[in-house]
Amino acid sequence: QLQLQESGPGLVKPSETLSLTCTVSGGSISGDDYYWVWIRQPPGQGLEWIGSLYHTRSTYYNPSLESRVTISADTSANQFSLTLDSVTAADTAIYYCARHVNGKYYVNYWGQGTLVTVSS
Amino acid sequence: QSALTQPRSVSGSPGQSVTIPCTGTSSDIGTYNYVSWYQQHPGEAPKLMVFDVTKRPSGVPGRFSGSKSGNTASLTISGLQAEDEADYYCQSYAGNYMWVFGGGTKLTVL
Repeated sequence: QLQLQESGPGLVKPSETLSLTCTVSGGSISGDDYYWVWIRQPPGQGLEWIGSLYHTRSTYYNPSLESRVTISADTSANQFSLTLDSVTAADTAIYYCARHVNGKYYVNYWGQGTLVTVSS
Repeated sequence: QSALTQPRSVSGSPGQSVTIPCTGTSSDIGTYNYVSWYQQHPGEAPKLMVFDVTKRPSGVPGRFSGSKSGNTASLTISGLQAEDEADYYCQSYAGNYMWVFGGGTKLTVL
């Protein structure tokens, strides 16, 4: 059974960099069968697609975040990561890592989510 | 790339049917038959309820159905049950590897 688990600091100061890692178990992030995704949800608000990683090196980002976002993979640890630069209070959210099948456009596996608060 | 538009809230009594609309544009819902719906209970991750406009994953009750007309997709829940009370989000593919979500609709079972 595939499992995804987010980890990282729960508090980040304004203007600094947010860094999160998603550890995947029960399946490999290598290969061309799946896309690995980051999605966030500000408190009490809707979901926002941040970006996707394919084949451990092809990345696709939300245009509204593209200048600040990097998604990368560590195949040896079977993890993929999110960095978001120059954060503000508007980046406070629950961050989810997720997976979808190549050629399919819906998420069928989600992590439990991790709350990141941007505050001094 | 703008968020899809959903009503903030809908409500219905047990046994009734409710429909949640999700309005996009010709760049997303209007072009692609890749609309999905997710159910989210408080404190939990979203759960896939409908994909590819009308399809249901195994284990999702047949009371949940999806449809699309033009730039608007809809989720209909028939025979409302107390456990259906949750937030519901639509999502569409928007081309060039981009995804867009709706703002969410809170369903209250009266």
